Formats: sequence, structure tokens, C-alpha cells
Amino acid sequence: DIPLTQSPSSLSASVGDRVTIHCRASHSIDTYLNWYQQKPGKAPKLLIYAASGLQSGVPSRFSGSGSGTDFTLTITSLQPEDFGTYYCQRSFSPPQGVTFGQGTRLEIK
Amino acid sequence: EVRLVESGGGLVKPGGSLSLSCVASGFTFRTYDMNWVRQAPGKGLEWVSSISSDAYDVYYIDSVKGRFTISRDNAKNSLFLQMDSLRAEDTAVYYCARDYRGSTTFDYWGQGTLVTVSS
Repeated sequence: DIPLTQSPSSLSASVGDRVTIHCRASHSIDTYLNWYQQKPGKAPKLLIYAASGLQSGVPSRFSGSGSGTDFTLTITSLQPEDFGTYYCQRSFSPPQGVTFGQGTRLEIK
Repeated sequence: EVRLVESGGGLVKPGGSLSLSCVASGFTFRTYDMNWVRQAPGKGLEWVSSISSDAYDVYYIDSVKGRFTISRDNAKNSLFLQMDSLRAEDTAVYYCARDYRGSTTFDYWGQGTLVTVSS
């Protein structure tokens, strides 16, 4: 297993702010890193795949970067609907290597 | 439109069994690997099990090996998870999730079904 550590665990930001969430792997995972958004009581939604690929239908204010052990999810110009918990996830085959970060809870001020 | 609809959750006593189902629509089910991912109350996400498109390959997280069985019926666009010898720590919302091109990237998720293991 390669644990993923997200930071911060929670944050509060205002509409229009630029928000950055970090995900660090204990060993290199190349760019096998995805980002999901989950709203309370709902299923997760894929935002970013392969570290920087924007999933179809996801607003362009979301972007991902990084490779190896350090990754970043950036939301430019935060919108009210962006509240929720964000998870990073290592994609791997065979799937027993799949791990998720512990989540970052984003609150809108 | 891709849809995944889970069912079968409920309250079960420790040591009991439960069978979850996930019915897929809006895509060619037989060509996609599928997964179960769970989330304990107030906790994060945990991958549980995967099955290849042809059902030939199956995988499980260590904590459920020997207790859970994943299967699929491609003729009925359905994914299943048979859960036996359930433990309190299996309590969670169980999501079925589609695997994007066999990369363990989960591009579509169902709404989830709650499994509660308690006496």
C-alpha cells in the first residue's frame, strides 16, 4: 500500500478565492492520481484523472497538477457550489493497490 | 445517460449475510470493469472489490477476502456483492462504481446503499 496524505484536512474560503488542496504519496505514483468531490449524502464525482486530466463536464476552474509524490488540486475563483469534501485517489492495477486520501473538507465562508 | 442503481442494503446482525445489487444503464455494461467502494459513517472512501468486464478477474481488499463475493450478469447489466460473515466494521454505504477503461479510475458512481451490521 502507498498511503496518500491530504492537506489541509479542512479549510474555509470565500467565493472568488483561489483554493489549493495537496495530496502527497509515500512513494512515487507517477501520475496515477485522481481527484473526486463529494457533497453530503451524495456519491463522489470524478473531477480530475491522471493527475491533470479534466473529466468531461467539470468546470474549467478545477485543475490538477503534479507527478511522483506531490499533487495539487486547484480551484480558481471558488463558487458557492464547490463546498464538499475532496478526495485524492491512487489508481493502480491490480486494484488492491487503490488507496484514497483521508479527504479535505471545503467550506464556503 | 449513465446510471448505476444499487439496492439490497439494510440492517443485519453480526455473522449474517446480505446481497447487494447494482443495475447499470446508459452504457455497454459488458465492456467495463466494475467496482464496489464503501464509506463508513463519517469516514473516507475505501475500495472493496473489483471484477473485470468478462468476470474472469476478481479482486478484494484483504479485510473482506473469504467473506465477500463479487459477481456480475452481463445479460442483465447487473453487478452483485454477496456479503457473508458480516462484522460491525463492514457498516458503510456501499457504492458501485464504473471503472474508466480498466484504470481503476471511477468515472460513474451509484447513489449508494447503506449496510448496517449491528445486534
